[in-house]
Amino acid sequence: DSGVTQTPKHLITATGQRVTLRCSPRSGDLSVYWYQQSLDQGLQFLIQYYNGEERAKGNILERFSAQQFPDLHSELNLSSLELGDSALYFCASSVFFGASGELFFGEGSRLTVL
Amino acid sequence: TQLLEQSPQFLSIQEGENLTVYCNSSSVFSSLQWYRQEPGEGPVLLVTVVTGGEVKKLKRLTFQFGDARKDSSLHITAAQPGDTGLYLCAGRLFSGGYNKLIFGAGTRLAVHP
Repeated sequence: DSGVTQTPKHLITATGQRVTLRCSPRSGDLSVYWYQQSLDQGLQFLIQYYNGEERAKGNILERFSAQQFPDLHSELNLSSLELGDSALYFCASSVFFGASGELFFGEGSRLTVL
Repeated sequence: TQLLEQSPQFLSIQEGENLTVYCNSSSVFSSLQWYRQEPGEGPVLLVTVVTGGEVKKLKRLTFQFGDARKDSSLHITAAQPGDTGLYLCAGRLFSGGYNKLIFGAGTRLAVHP
């Protein structure tokens, strides 16, 4: 158990819909990262927050948004869903966002868009 | 196009064999990590290498960071079925004004008894 909690574990929805994925980081971790994992592209970095502020951005689509709340939990919002958005979405946390910190991953949220 | 290229993509071997997995890039990384991911779970950190040329050993696993900090390898001696999983390398670099951890697509290893 990494200490990172993600909900829901599985989600099935239709194209055009909007979903929210939730992440609670490990106790004491200030950084939260979101990654998308699909079969053909591996783990793609989406976005990182540190203590409530956005700190790094990757290949996150404009239809996606995220935020980190004062209690440090984070939410990833996916809207106008397309078939290609079907993937595993991982949240990870770390104490810092420094050069060699370990990331602790949750078990992921599997999104299926029909 | 992946910033970090891992090879091979798939590897199926018998118990007791040795294997090497490679992670290559044209970018220089401040550090490089190796993670292992099992089905239904998130990746778990195996090791972090920071210095060019650094070699770290974790029981039967040997990790090496290239001298130029652009590549890395993972060597497993006498593989066991418990080594089965997806091995991911991840490099940390400063890009576009941000400090990011970028993952390769992974090497899926299956070790058969």
